[in-house]
Formats: sequence, C-alpha cells, structure tokens
Amino acid sequence: AQSVTQLGSHVSVSEGALVLLRCNYSSSVPPYLFWYVQYPNQGLQLLLKYTSAATLVKGINGFEAEFKKSETSFHLTKPSAHMSDAAEYFCAVSEDQGGKLIFGQGTELSVKP
Amino acid sequence: GAGVSQSPSNKVTEKGKDVELRCDPISGHTALYWYRQSLGQGLEFLIYFQGNSAPDKSGLPSDRFSAERTGGSVSTLTIQRTQQEDSAVYLCASSLEGGSYTEAFFGQGTRLTVV
Repeated sequence: AQSVTQLGSHVSVSEGALVLLRCNYSSSVPPYLFWYVQYPNQGLQLLLKYTSAATLVKGINGFEAEFKKSETSFHLTKPSAHMSDAAEYFCAVSEDQGGKLIFGQGTELSVKP
Repeated sequence: GAGVSQSPSNKVTEKGKDVELRCDPISGHTALYWYRQSLGQGLEFLIYFQGNSAPDKSGLPSDRFSAERTGGSVSTLTIQRTQQEDSAVYLCASSLEGGSYTEAFFGQGTRLTVV
C-alpha cells in the first residue's frame, strides 16, 4: 500500500535561509510524487510533480525536489526563504492511473524576519 | 469558470441532519475528486469520478456518505445523519483527464461544522 511520511509537522526558518521539507514515501510500483502548498483559507496549489522524466524537479516560486529511489525520498528545497513562503506544504503519492492522491500529514512552514 | 468552485464555503449543521456540498469543476475537466481535510486525519481521499466510468468510492468512510456527478460536470457530496466527527473541510479537485500525470486543481473547500 502507498503511504507518505512528512518529517516535522512544523518547520521554522529565517528569511533568506535554506528551506528543507522532508518527505518519504512507500510504494510497490514506481510512483508519481507531488508537492502541494496551501496558503491560509485557500485550496491546494501544485508546486511540482515527479513523473519519472527527471529526478530533479523544478517547480514554481523557486522550489525544487529531488527523487531518490534508494532513499524513497522526495524532499522539497528552496535556497532562500521568503516571508511569502509561509504556508502548509503537503507531499503526496499516486501509483495508480486513476490519479488518486495519498497525502502526508503536512508541514507548516514559518518564516521569521 | 476560471477555477474549481465549491459551495457553500461554510456550513454549520445540527447533528443528525443531512447536508449537500456542491462542486463545479473547471469546464472541460473530465476527472473530479473529493477529499476531506480534518485535524486528526489530514487529507483523505473520498471519491473519484472519471468520465462515464463507475466512480472509485474506495475512500468513503461510511454508507452515510455518497456523491454523484450529473452530466459529467457538477458534483454533489451528500452526508446523511451527520455526526460531529464529520466536521472537516471538504475539498473538491478536477483535472483535464484522469491519471497521475495530469495536474489536479483544487477548490477552496467547504468547511463543515456539525454541532
């Protein structure tokens, strides 16, 4: 069965610092992997997705993630945090053709001035 | 429309009442999904519609939950005899076609509170 684990329900960084949000997945077949962001009182917005084309995936707002099969990880990074990055981030996996997503518990990112 | 639209945005209901939540997907999108977001359970898949195929109902938590999609467009999620544990934000998403390679666009959700 598929599952996603996000390490750390809350991460706090200073403005300009590196952002690293961790995601590990479990899947019996090569997965599709996603990162979504949710700003307060808004729906989810896709940041980036991995669909086996390239292991390093670049997304919107300067975020990127690297698929590491040996570590079953898909960590999200951004070199320099902005105040506007404060939000909740969700990692998700899908391994069937139906597109059904299995989400992690989410990581709330705070950015300190 | 420009995006996925959900109504109402907030709903407060008494325990035991039935509620209907509506989702208008992006025009032309054939796939539609319902998810539930709650404090204790995170984001959970509920049901998936793809074109004229039978829906994937594997995520519905009980037989009090049902959903339909009329004319391949608007969807209604119905919760009968609501319980306090049904309190959550119900999110709808649509995509151009089914499949993990297509991006799902989410609505802003309906916040359901059962009192």
